[in-house]
Formats: sequence, structure tokens, C-alpha cells
Amino acid sequence: EMQLVESGGGLVQPGGSLRLSCAASGFSFSSYWMNWVRQAPGKGLEWVANINQDGTEKYYVDSVKGRFTISRDNTKNSLYLQMNSLGAEDTAVYYCARDPLAPKVAAGMDLWGQGTLVTVSS
Amino acid sequence: QSVLTQPPSASGTPGQRVTISCSGGSSSIGSKFVFWYQHLPGTAPKLLIYRNNQRPSGVPDRFSGSKSGTSASLAISGLRSEDEGDYYCAAWDDSLSGWVFGGGTKVTVL
Repeated sequence: EMQLVESGGGLVQPGGSLRLSCAASGFSFSSYWMNWVRQAPGKGLEWVANINQDGTEKYYVDSVKGRFTISRDNTKNSLYLQMNSLGAEDTAVYYCARDPLAPKVAAGMDLWGQGTLVTVSS
Repeated sequence: QSVLTQPPSASGTPGQRVTISCSGGSSSIGSKFVFWYQHLPGTAPKLLIYRNNQRPSGVPDRFSGSKSGTSASLAISGLRSEDEGDYYCAAWDDSLSGWVFGGGTKVTVL
């Protein structure tokens, strides 16, 4: 069964850091672009970042540039999101999602994880 | 405020047809594919329509997508109670170099 499982969420103080992980199984992880998408409480979906198959191409939403870093380890079938200088506005459920093609010719995010909750609060 | 504009809500009775609009700009919908995602309560988002009007395997043909210029729409025909949830349009935006989502439309089956 193809699966994405996020982990690493939790409660963190403003200004703190957190590293999210997404474990992939049941498919060829290294063949896919990978995305992080978040949903703040009561809000809609917001794309956060994506990374190409070998990690050489990355894109970020403006609000996280310089604070978040997306990375992957294809030997471990894992995707990561290092989040620094967290603020209340980063409180959200974070989902990882795959796309078989580059975003400009995308086929769509066809597999999503169940999400991990990040709460930034003192 | 989202880059793509959707109505916040839509509703219909069982069996009716509901249409959700999505408006964007030349750097997003106007030049890129549109995607639609269904997000039902307590579940992970699901790809509903890809590349404007294509349905992934397993998605019922009650769901259809279309695009014209800088706007797109999702139609749900034969509305069912299990269709209640949130629906999002999305497109890659060349100006922003990122994916943009609509604000979401909450579909209610009356």
C-alpha cells in the first residue's frame, strides 16, 4: 500500500524550531517531487514548499523563505521540513504530498499523508 | 487572501448539480493546469481533478472540471451526502514560483 506518514509535530514556543518528517512507503519515493502543504485552524490549504527528485530544486512560499528548509533522503524514503523562527502564524496541520511531475507540467498531488499538528504557543 | 478566488460556500439537495468557480490570473490559471482537491472532515486531502478536466482512477464521473481563460470550475452532479466537505482549486503560479490554492468552498448537502 502506498503511504505517506508525517511525524515530528508538537507544541513549540514562539521563536523555536521543529523538524517534521514524512516517511514514504509502497512506491518509488525517489521518482517524485514532494510537497509540504499546511492548514491553519479554520483556514484553507496553503502550499509551503516543494523539492524535486534529487533535491537540487526547491521552492518556498514567501512567508517561510529564510526560515524553513525542505530536504529529502532518498536512501531513507523520507522527506523533511526544518522549521526555524516559528511564530503563531505557523500553527497548522502540515501535510506531505507527492507529485510525479515537475510543478510547471504537474500531474497533481495524488497521495497525501494524514498530517501532523504543529502548535506555536507560549 | 488567496491568490485564487473561490466562493466560500455552495449547497444543494441530493441529486442536484453544484458548480464551484475558481478565478485566478494570467500567471496561474491563465497559463497553467488547474487542479481540484476534495478535503472531507477527518481525512487527508484527495486529488479530484488534474490538468483542468482529468479524473484520477477511482473518482466518479459525477465530478468534472473545466477551464476557460483565467477561470476554472468544478461541477458535482448527482450530489450525495458523502460529498459534503471542502473543495480547493490549485495552480502553479509562474510569478510566485509556487503553488497557489483557492480559499476553499464548503459544500453542504441540504
